[in-house]
Amino acid sequence: SAVISQKPSRDICQRGTSLTIQCQVDSQVTMMFWYRQQPGQSLTLIATANQGSEATYESGFVIDKFPISRPNLTFSTLTVSNMSPEDSSIYLCSVMGGGRETQYFGPGTRLLVL
Amino acid sequence: AQSVTQLDSHVSVSEGTPVLLRCNYSSSYSPSLFWYVQHPNKGLQLLLKYTSAATLVKGINGFEAEFKKSETSFHLTKPSAHMSDAAEYFCVVSETGANNLFFGTGTRLTVIP
Repeated sequence: SAVISQKPSRDICQRGTSLTIQCQVDSQVTMMFWYRQQPGQSLTLIATANQGSEATYESGFVIDKFPISRPNLTFSTLTVSNMSPEDSSIYLCSVMGGGRETQYFGPGTRLLVL
Repeated sequence: AQSVTQLDSHVSVSEGTPVLLRCNYSSSYSPSLFWYVQHPNKGLQLLLKYTSAATLVKGINGFEAEFKKSETSFHLTKPSAHMSDAAEYFCVVSETGANNLFFGTGTRLTVIP
């Protein structure tokens, strides 16, 4: 399985500001995914990020709020823009591997917006 | 459309007793099914997966799950609970060959010494 790291591991931010979360993988992967886990809830897919193309966003998520970059096959960033307290969540990246349907997850970034 | 129902939000067992975490799924096509575990303040770890091979799937840490198409179930079991099993468990479904994972709402397992 891939080894995935995320930065920062946690942050406390003021409303109205933006935070960029980094996801680094130890091997080249085609598909990377970004998820949100709101407090006490399950995971929801935000978007799929393929290298060399625009990210594909799920219903309820828009590029202006969650811009994503995928400059190469081992790295991606997710920006949470113009944050409000409702954005307080754990944000996780994942990659496809070990069989096409299997995803491996990073440790997550815990975000608290005041 | 795919969906997952985890029937228990919280399960509590005594150390050394069996664990049963229930999951029912809905899928229009042949599903792939997974169980992930999330320990406190840790990332998600894949426990096991079913992708249309053997219906009884063995995973890590002594866990296993059985795919029952007639019951649309994929329950997770372990013969003997260990204190280190205390965590949140997520049942997940996807269509075979698709990318999207659909997560259940999770079951919090408590192990009593």
